[in-house]
Amino acid sequence: GDSVTQMEGPVTLSEEAFLTINCTYTATGYPSLFWYVQYPGEGLQLLLKATKADDKGSNKGFEATYRKETTSFHLEKGSVQVSDSAVYFCALSDRGYSTLTFGKGTMLLVSP
Amino acid sequence: GAVVSQHPSWVICKSGTSVKIECRSLDFQATTMFWYRQFPKQSLMLMATSNEGSKATYEQGVEKDKFLINHASLTLSTLTVTSAHPEDSSFYICSARDWAGQSSYEQYFGPGTRLTVT
Repeated sequence: GDSVTQMEGPVTLSEEAFLTINCTYTATGYPSLFWYVQYPGEGLQLLLKATKADDKGSNKGFEATYRKETTSFHLEKGSVQVSDSAVYFCALSDRGYSTLTFGKGTMLLVSP
Repeated sequence: GAVVSQHPSWVICKSGTSVKIECRSLDFQATTMFWYRQFPKQSLMLMATSNEGSKATYEQGVEKDKFLINHASLTLSTLTVTSAHPEDSSFYICSARDWAGQSSYEQYFGPGTRLTVT
């Protein structure tokens, strides 16, 4: 079945540092890929998405490129802020079923 | 737009009692809603998918007689945890899919409900 693997956290960075959170996936079809963010005590919010190979999703300074050849969708940000501290989930949606399969989440802690 | 609410945000109940959690789409019609369970430091586990007006589809290993799901209208789905036990304590999150939106695959998530069974 479909699966998503994320790097384990927590990822601890200083403000303005460069961020990479790795995500790889296994899917039988051609899934859509997502990054969700969960702030403390809140539900998940869609951060960005990509629906086909080589698409780049971007939002709020975060980017991720759908790499079919490496089955990856790594999340990057050039300069993190304290307010980016949250848990980030990589997910995929199989077009045939439209349900989401999540990775285990990666906690990001940004210090001033 | 695309706001999903849950009520209550947290609830404490005694072992053996039942508790109902509501999930509402506030500004769109949701033909499909999803219920997830999240353990501490774990990912979201899909429990069931509910379509308005029909029976929910449960994932393997989820007891449908214990987790009753009702999706009676296009804006409301409820999850009832029956005869709750301490091991049911968890964070329950719902999401809704808006077929009228630009992306039929995008789900909008509620803020979650923290259930503690004593």
